Amino acid sequence: GENVEQHPSTLSVQEGDSAVIKCTYSDSASNYFPWYKQELGKRPQLIIDIRSNVGEKKDQRIAVTLNKTAKHFSLHITETQPEDSAVYFCAASKPGNQFYFGTGTSLTVIP
Amino acid sequence: DTEVTQTPKHLVMGMTNKKSLKCEQHMGHRAMYWYKQKAKKPPELMFVYSYEKLSINESVPSRFSPECPNSSLLNLHLHALQPEDSALYLCASQPRQGGEKLFFGSGTQLSVL
Repeated sequence: GENVEQHPSTLSVQEGDSAVIKCTYSDSASNYFPWYKQELGKRPQLIIDIRSNVGEKKDQRIAVTLNKTAKHFSLHITETQPEDSAVYFCAASKPGNQFYFGTGTSLTVIP
Repeated sequence: DTEVTQTPKHLVMGMTNKKSLKCEQHMGHRAMYWYKQKAKKPPELMFVYSYEKLSINESVPSRFSPECPNSSLLNLHLHALQPEDSALYLCASQPRQGGEKLFFGSGTQLSVL
């Protein structure tokens, strides 16, 4: 089955700096890679996703890059704000299969 | 309607109680999921229904019993739970199983006393 690894497990940045979270996956057939943001006690919220036929996707301060050859994808948050503080999960999936989640990154943005 | 609705939002139950969690979506999605989640950990898959048939059962104890009465509804029946079952229980749905956006409900925060 698929194995998704996520690093780092915790990340602290100063407000205004950039944050980068990285994930690797093992199944070359995985073709859908979402990123979720979750605040304590709330539902995971999809913030950006990418499909395997695309190398990069951007939405305002958030971007995701995918390297299919190396089987890794990364979340980039620029100009971080205190409200970006949360736990972030990556995931990998393919048709007919479940989502495989990374172990999560607890991001703290220091004002 | 682009929501997955879960009830109740909070539930406290004793170890001898029987209760049910409910999930509803009206987006025409044919894959529905139950996840269990502890704080700051990733969601753990419990069950997947695809076209109202149980597709995946991740070796969940029999004190958890899923039911999919129709394509819009998903229930999780709880009986004789243990304190370690206390967690956030999330329902989710997808147009079809795998490879597409997963829509999460707001969850049920369960405490077992």
